[in-house]
Amino acid sequence: IAGITQAPTSQILAAGRRMTLRCTQDMRHNAMYWYRQDLGLGLRLIHYSNTAGTTGKGEVPDGYSVSRANTDDFPLTLASAVPSQTSVYFCASSDSAGGTYNEQFFGPGTRLTVL
Amino acid sequence: DAKTTQPPSMDCAEGRAANLPCNHSTISGNEYVYWYRQIHSQGPQYIIHGLKNNETNEMASLIITEDRKSSTLILPHATLRDTAVYYCIVSRGNSGNTPLVFGKGTRLSVIA
Repeated sequence: IAGITQAPTSQILAAGRRMTLRCTQDMRHNAMYWYRQDLGLGLRLIHYSNTAGTTGKGEVPDGYSVSRANTDDFPLTLASAVPSQTSVYFCASSDSAGGTYNEQFFGPGTRLTVL
Repeated sequence: DAKTTQPPSMDCAEGRAANLPCNHSTISGNEYVYWYRQIHSQGPQYIIHGLKNNETNEMASLIITEDRKSSTLILPHATLRDTAVYYCIVSRGNSGNTPLVFGKGTRLSVIA
C-alpha cells in the first residue's frame, strides 16, 4: 500500500539521549518534510528536503538534524534530547517536480516524550 | 507566521452544509489557497486548493472571493466523521522552499 510510514509509533526517552525518528515513503516523491505539533498548536516545520542529497531548515530547526541519502528515506535525529522536544512528529512528502501543486501526504506521526 | 485568519471553532448540525471562512488579505498573486484537515491524532489530510477560480472535488467546494482576500470551504453535507481541525493555508506551493505554514485552524464539531 502506497504511503508514508513512521517509526516508532511512540517513544519515551530520557533527556540527553540520542534518538532517530524514521520516515519512509514509497510514492517516489522528491520533497519530504518534518513537522512537530505541540498541544493546542498547529504544525511547525522543522526541516525539509526538496530532493535527495539536499536539506533545508524550517521554522524550528534547532536541536534537530536530518539527512536525505535517497528518495525514500528522511530520518530526523535528536542528538541530545531535551524535555521541550516532547511533541508529536509528523513526516510528509510531496511531488514538487513541475507545476505548483503542493499536496502533502502525511504519515501517522510519532509521539515522543522526553523526561 | 501564518498568513491566514480563521475562527477558532465552529459547530455544524449533521447533514447540513459546513461553511468554514478564511481571511488571507495579504495573499500574493502567485499564492494558492490550500485546505487541509486533521482528524484527532492523525496526520493532516489534503482537501482542496485553488488560485482564483472556485473549485469542487468529491470532498468539498472552495469559494474564493474575486479580490482573493478571503475564501470559504464548504462541506455540503457534514457527517460526524468530518469533525476535525481545518487549516487554511496560502502558499506558492512548490517544494520545501515554499513550505506550508499551518496556523491553529478551525475546530469543526459536527453535532448529531
